[in-house]
Amino acid sequence: IVMTQSPATLSVFPGERATLSCRASQTITSNVAWYQQKPGQAPRLLIYGASTRATGIPARFSGSGSGTEFTLTISSLQSEDSAVYYCQQYNNWPPERTFGQGTKVEIK
Amino acid sequence: QVQLVQSGAEVKKPGSSVKVSCRASGGAFSSHAITWMRQAPGQGLEWIGGIIPLFATPTYAPEFQGRVTVVADESVNTVYLELSSLTFEDTAVYFCARDRDELSTVSFFDSWGQGTRVTVSS
Repeated sequence: IVMTQSPATLSVFPGERATLSCRASQTITSNVAWYQQKPGQAPRLLIYGASTRATGIPARFSGSGSGTEFTLTISSLQSEDSAVYYCQQYNNWPPERTFGQGTKVEIK
Repeated sequence: QVQLVQSGAEVKKPGSSVKVSCRASGGAFSSHAITWMRQAPGQGLEWIGGIIPLFATPTYAPEFQGRVTVVADESVNTVYLELSSLTFEDTAVYFCARDRDELSTVSFFDSWGQGTRVTVSS
């Protein structure tokens, strides 16, 4: 299963909304997770099940979608949200985990 | 929440092997898969394979079959990744991560190790 993210880079003013997209090459119901990765750090889980926020994740992060189209929204961008964001599928078959190539979010 | 601590950076020659460890503490170990991924410089995340320590049967990505081994040692709550026949293209940061769902190798990752840099250089 190939995960395709867009755009590759997103530049947003502080306080504005950022919308990141992820498309799966075949239907994966809601088996999508989103991660945030800052330079030199491991990824951090943000969203799983397409729309459930992980423990401790601020409410400005939200996920939506099902089937093949998924979206991560940051409702009001903060300076600390500058990072690369990855989507990941975990469908039961084939039993593999694949990531999108990432979207880099920059603060204008 | 479980903490994952990985072994230190490695420098290896082409054709050699590398073994990286991932020790878990602070949570359930045997019933959750530990999965290995890598990230080449400036690139995204690539799934390598993983294991549920309780079952001891690993799952590998097709791209690595034949030169990867993942084993678990429940006595020290540690999972090991060994990659052989190294090439320059294996230069990357290697991460271990814990699958959130018990007894599943098809899940998402709620805890990550800090990463181990492996450099393949002649």
